[in-house]
Amino acid sequence: KAGVTQTPRYLIKTRGQQVTLSCSPISGHRSVSWYQQTPGQGLQFLFEYFSETQRNKGNFPGRFSGRQFSNSRSEMNVSTLELGDSALYLCASSLPGSQETQYFGPGTRLLVL
Amino acid sequence: GEDVEQSLFLSVREGDSSVINCTYTDSSSTYLYWYKQEPGAGLQLLTYIFSNMDMKQDQRLTVLLNKKDKHLSLRIADTQTGDSAIYFCAETSPLGGSYIPTFGRGTSLIVHP
Repeated sequence: KAGVTQTPRYLIKTRGQQVTLSCSPISGHRSVSWYQQTPGQGLQFLFEYFSETQRNKGNFPGRFSGRQFSNSRSEMNVSTLELGDSALYLCASSLPGSQETQYFGPGTRLLVL
Repeated sequence: GEDVEQSLFLSVREGDSSVINCTYTDSSSTYLYWYKQEPGAGLQLLTYIFSNMDMKQDQRLTVLLNKKDKHLSLRIADTQTGDSAIYFCAETSPLGGSYIPTFGRGTSLIVHP
């Protein structure tokens, strides 16, 4: 079974621009979560989508948004990019249920100049 | 909020055992996980333990859980240079119908010949 895939793997943007990242979950997984990883803050939870609905949200500004499609693929969008948004953005998928172990993709490395 | 703490670095000699420690604060933690992250990659699930277990062994990996002290450890037997990576401890508890993990900052394991 194919793992979680994320595109693009690397991205360079300038301040003020916006960016869209994509995540395809493992087949059959309906929950998709997004995380931001930086050296200073570690892994921080952004949001979680399940059945096209945002189920949980972390403590990030409204510039960070996401959505999930009917095939469970998810996108996240960051508008008005800031230098501090430079990070590795990780997507994880899980099966709904009592445990919901998360399986991670390789991440998208975003550099904001 | 809830917290997960790990030491930042561990250095061991090839062939020795490595023990990575983690403490957490959430008494309602249900599952506890160990993930491995190699440079430039996403998080790879290594193993997990349910909160009503004390120990779990999986080949070279042994997980010990002391629920009273909220202490989790990962022992890697016969550590190899390929085990050099960052190891993340994570705990989950039910939140809004799902299980969003809280991660530690990660322990960098350095294996030297």
